[in-house]
Amino acid sequence: DAGITQSPRHKVTETGTPVTLRCHQTENHRYMYWYRQDPGHGLRLIHYSYGVKDTDKGEVSDGYSVSRSKTEDFLLTLESATSSQTSVYFCAISEGLGYEQYFGPGTRLTVT
Amino acid sequence: AQTVTQSQPEMSVQEAETVTLSCTYDTSESDYYLFWYKQPPSRQMILVIRQEAYKQQNATENRFSVNFQKAAKSFSLKISDSQLGDAAMYFCAYRSGDMRFGAGTRLTVKP
Repeated sequence: DAGITQSPRHKVTETGTPVTLRCHQTENHRYMYWYRQDPGHGLRLIHYSYGVKDTDKGEVSDGYSVSRSKTEDFLLTLESATSSQTSVYFCAISEGLGYEQYFGPGTRLTVT
Repeated sequence: AQTVTQSQPEMSVQEAETVTLSCTYDTSESDYYLFWYKQPPSRQMILVIRQEAYKQQNATENRFSVNFQKAAKSFSLKISDSQLGDAAMYFCAYRSGDMRFGAGTRLTVKP
């Protein structure tokens, strides 16, 4: 299994509070991704990174920001959480474009 | 934008039988990649099989094989000799730039 961890694995927070999710990899892969999974939608890309300090927006980036200061860590921040951001969040990594992506175990976030 | 459609929200198969999960996609690209991922109740996303669009030969991984029809933009997954452990959500995915996923098919395996 690819060495990908996510923290926390579960979080409950209140509307309006900031939240940061962490993804950590030990594979030294260049690309890292954040997805959210909601019923009926499959997985949708939030943001991705193609190198340290190099990030770009995905399909559903509004309300989210990311940072990557080290190859192994990719942070997803919800500046002011809303109930619509209740979801399961997955981090993924890949060696490059076109390569398969390997996923972390997911983080279940509930915004009350 | 590229879209991926899985028209079967749920499928059921008897243990040891064969089942085919459907996937279609919409793209104007000629060079891309297609994937099937499995998500068991543990929630872990597991890569099942991968297909490069430039390859005419259908990919195979043990009991899993695909029927890739590029002109029809179709990418179905066949699971042979189904096992109880195959029960999961299956997601079809397309990648040219971003990865796009279908909504998933929930597969039930009956003993």
